[in-house]
Amino acid sequence: SQQGEEDPQALSIQEGENATMNCSYKTSINNLQWYRQNSGRGLVHLILIRSNEREKHSGRLRVTLDTSKKSSSLLITASRAADTASYFCATDGQNSGYALNFGKGTSLLVTP
Amino acid sequence: DAMVIQNPRYQVTQFGKPVTLSCSQTLNHNVMYWYQQKSSQAPKLLFHYYDKDFNNEADTPDNFQSRRPNTSFCFLDIRSPGLGDAAMYLCATSDPAGGRNEQFFGPGTRLTVL
Repeated sequence: SQQGEEDPQALSIQEGENATMNCSYKTSINNLQWYRQNSGRGLVHLILIRSNEREKHSGRLRVTLDTSKKSSSLLITASRAADTASYFCATDGQNSGYALNFGKGTSLLVTP
Repeated sequence: DAMVIQNPRYQVTQFGKPVTLSCSQTLNHNVMYWYQQKSSQAPKLLFHYYDKDFNNEADTPDNFQSRRPNTSFCFLDIRSPGLGDAAMYLCATSDPAGGRNEQFFGPGTRLTVL
């Protein structure tokens, strides 16, 4: 079942600006992951943060995790038109086995 | 390059006519997943295999079946497609060793039901 909720549902920014997307979840997790999906394509894994981590960086991506608030954020710095895509958070936890619970996603549009 | 391959990329079938979607992987991952994704929605897990151990989601309709004849291949069979089954079907794999379970997705098969 889906337990992640992203906000905003849609975000439109200009190239060079930063984009922040948020994800909230309901139950205890082992890991939280962020994926990107270009229109009509499969999902691409971006970054994984473990429940005992608070922040991770990968290139222009910065992910934070607050387990007390059951929330995570994905920050894309200095955005580019090529960052236009949908972004999903996904959680796994004690009761989900190997399955991931995906949120509804944030649709990001970066205009030149 | 190690990857997840789905065939065909686009599939058109008629209402009620059985259809099979295929997925193969060169990653040698233990776990393979099938997701259904409708427009502007999150992927919805249908089922997954850990090796040959099949795990069906509770709300996956009986109309959807799966086979995994070996590590590399996994098939999704839709026995009697309805109009509501038109969607993108995504195959993914993972190797949960180490507790990370990042999933690697294929490009998807877009199913149209006429």
